[in-house]
Amino acid sequence: GQSLEQPSEVTAVEGAIVQINCTYQTSGFYGLSWYQQHDGGAPTFLSYNALDGLEETGRFSSFLSRSDSYGYLLLQELQMKDSASYFCAFRTTDSWGKLQFGAGTQVVVTP
Amino acid sequence: EAGVAQSPRYKIIEKRQSVAFWCNPISGHATLYWYQQILGQGPKLLIQFQNNGVVDDSQLPKDRFSAERLKGVDSTLKIQPAKLEDSAVYLCASSLGQGYNEKLFFGSGTQLSVL
Repeated sequence: GQSLEQPSEVTAVEGAIVQINCTYQTSGFYGLSWYQQHDGGAPTFLSYNALDGLEETGRFSSFLSRSDSYGYLLLQELQMKDSASYFCAFRTTDSWGKLQFGAGTQVVVTP
Repeated sequence: EAGVAQSPRYKIIEKRQSVAFWCNPISGHATLYWYQQILGQGPKLLIQFQNNGVVDDSQLPKDRFSAERLKGVDSTLKIQPAKLEDSAVYLCASSLGQGYNEKLFFGSGTQLSVL
C-alpha cells in the first residue's frame, strides 16, 4: 500500500529547533513535499525533495533518504508564528501523479 | 498575482440537501484539484483536472459528488444529496501542470457543515 506517517503533535519553545519526521511506504514516487497550514487557513507549499539530501530554505530545511523511506522537516529558530500543522506529501508513480498527504503534525510553539 | 479563489467560505445545510462550491484557479494553471479535509486529517484528493479533462477521480464518491471544469478555467464541485460524513473543508488547488505538480496553490476552502 501507499502511506505516509508523521507524529501527531510536537511542542517546543521559541528559539528552539524542531524536527518533524515522515516515514512513507510506496512502490515508487517522484519526491517528498512539505506544506504548512495555520488553523483555518490554506495549506502553503514549503519545500520539495526530489533527490536524497538536504534542501534549505531560510529557517526551514527538508531532508530525504529514499533508501530509508524517510524524510524530515527541520524548523530552526522557532517563532510563535510557526505554530501550525505541517504535512508531508508525495506523488506516486502508479497514478497520474496525484499528491497524497500525511495526516499532519501539529507544532505548538510556547513562549 | 491573484491566488486561488473559492466561494462560499462557509456553508451549513441539512442532510439530503444539495450544495455547490466554486473555484477560480490562478490564471494559466493547467491543473486543478479538489481536496476534502476532515478535521484533524490531511487533505484527501477527490478529483484532479488537467485543463478541462479529468485525470484522476478514483476517490470521488460518484453516486453523490460531481465536478466539472468549464473551458479549462473555473470549476464547480457539487454534492447531491449530502450526508453527515461530508462535513469537512473542501479545498481547491491549482498548479502549473505537468512537471510542476509538486507546488500546489490552495484556496482558503469552503467549510461545510451537514446537520
